[in-house]
Amino acid sequence: GAGVSQSPSNKVTEKGKDVELRCDPISGHTALYWYRQSLGQGLEFLIYFQGNSAPDKSGLPSDRFSAERTGGSVSTLTIQRTQQEDSAVYLCASSLSGLQETQYFGPGTRLLVL
Amino acid sequence: DQQVKQNSPSLSVQEGRISILNCDYTNSMFDYFLWYKKYPAEGPTFLISISSIKDKNEDGRFTVFLNKSAKHLSLHIVPSQPGDSAVYFCAASTSSNTGKLIFGQGTTLQVKP
Repeated sequence: GAGVSQSPSNKVTEKGKDVELRCDPISGHTALYWYRQSLGQGLEFLIYFQGNSAPDKSGLPSDRFSAERTGGSVSTLTIQRTQQEDSAVYLCASSLSGLQETQYFGPGTRLLVL
Repeated sequence: DQQVKQNSPSLSVQEGRISILNCDYTNSMFDYFLWYKKYPAEGPTFLISISSIKDKNEDGRFTVFLNKSAKHLSLHIVPSQPGDSAVYFCAASTSSNTGKLIFGQGTTLQVKP
């Protein structure tokens, strides 16, 4: 079956521009996570969606970052007024129910802010 | 505050030998641990997990050991194969924390033929 997909796979933008990153989770998965991996670092949690519950935004690094999940499926992560330190690989993961279980990751979006 | 630490950035082993990757954590509330493998330009792939009620979990060539008193877990790969060459991340979560994973920095494993 289809795994988690993300688009675009690569994005180069200029400092100060807004970017949108998209994630399509595995069909039927109710939980969706965003992480990012900066160069030489581990994965850093950003935000979590579970069904119709309020998202856990505790990992968002600043108010320039926001995310939404429409219809309980596709999610978009938006970064406003991008900065060079936003350059990273942004990874999306989904899991069946959001409890302690395997999270399946997409291939990531590589963002480069010039 | 790095709650999950992988102190070895890299490890090199000979094909057929054992690979041991280590991970330490500081948060005693962590009760579920996972290992992921990541190839370049791909997302992490789940390998194996362990609940805090166990001290060992085995799946084929992969075994994870958990020492709660030492807040330490390790991944053993036996026998190691060249295809195992990748970055390995350990991750942890708490049952009270929405399932979000806290990751270590990763260890790059190279298995030499």
